[in-house]
Amino acid sequence: EDQVTQSPEALRLQEGESSSLNCSYTVSGLRGLFWYRQDPGKGPEFLFTLYSAGEEKEKERLKATLTKKESFLHITAPKPEDSATYLCAVPFPNDYKLSFGAGTTVTVRA
Amino acid sequence: NAGVTQTPKFRVLKTGQSMTLLCAQDMNHEYMYWYRQDPGMGLRLIHYSVGEGTTAKGEVPDGYNVSRLKKQNFLLGLESAAPSQTSVYFCASSYRDRGAQHFGDGTRLSIL
Repeated sequence: EDQVTQSPEALRLQEGESSSLNCSYTVSGLRGLFWYRQDPGKGPEFLFTLYSAGEEKEKERLKATLTKKESFLHITAPKPEDSATYLCAVPFPNDYKLSFGAGTTVTVRA
Repeated sequence: NAGVTQTPKFRVLKTGQSMTLLCAQDMNHEYMYWYRQDPGMGLRLIHYSVGEGTTAKGEVPDGYNVSRLKKQNFLLGLESAAPSQTSVYFCASSYRDRGAQHFGDGTRLSIL
């Protein structure tokens, strides 16, 4: 069964302590992988789209990378405002839906 | 820069009542979607639309109906609300098939 799995579920970081989040997927014939950020009480906010293995995208302290089986979201020198839940999503081949992972909740302490 | 707007933001219903959630987008997107988000379950697609006048079922459509009479609006209806439909409902839109989806800020619905 096609799946999207994110790890860890939760990540507590000290300000400035870099780390990575993982998103693994089993769909074949990937047609894009999306990263979103969700703040409490808000809808998911689009961050990046990655289409092919080896591709990288950056935005401020965030960098997303993609391999054939997984994607990483690297947070470099995080600040408290980077605290959020990060979601990844993959469109499945015979479907219009985006399948979302359960998310990683990142808390950055000052 | 409104993007995707959902109304209402909060609502409390009694079991058996009906209501309609409204989603409006100003990005001229063809595709629109309704999701529900529950703790531990992630986002699940209820219904979607690939253009004005079209609708289709997602993975959890039971108990819901939708309509897309105008390109910019997508309505989600609950005919007879049940406590299991207590959730946060998100609307999203995208420019193309399987493109990046842009979300509203949700409707928090409680059914007693």
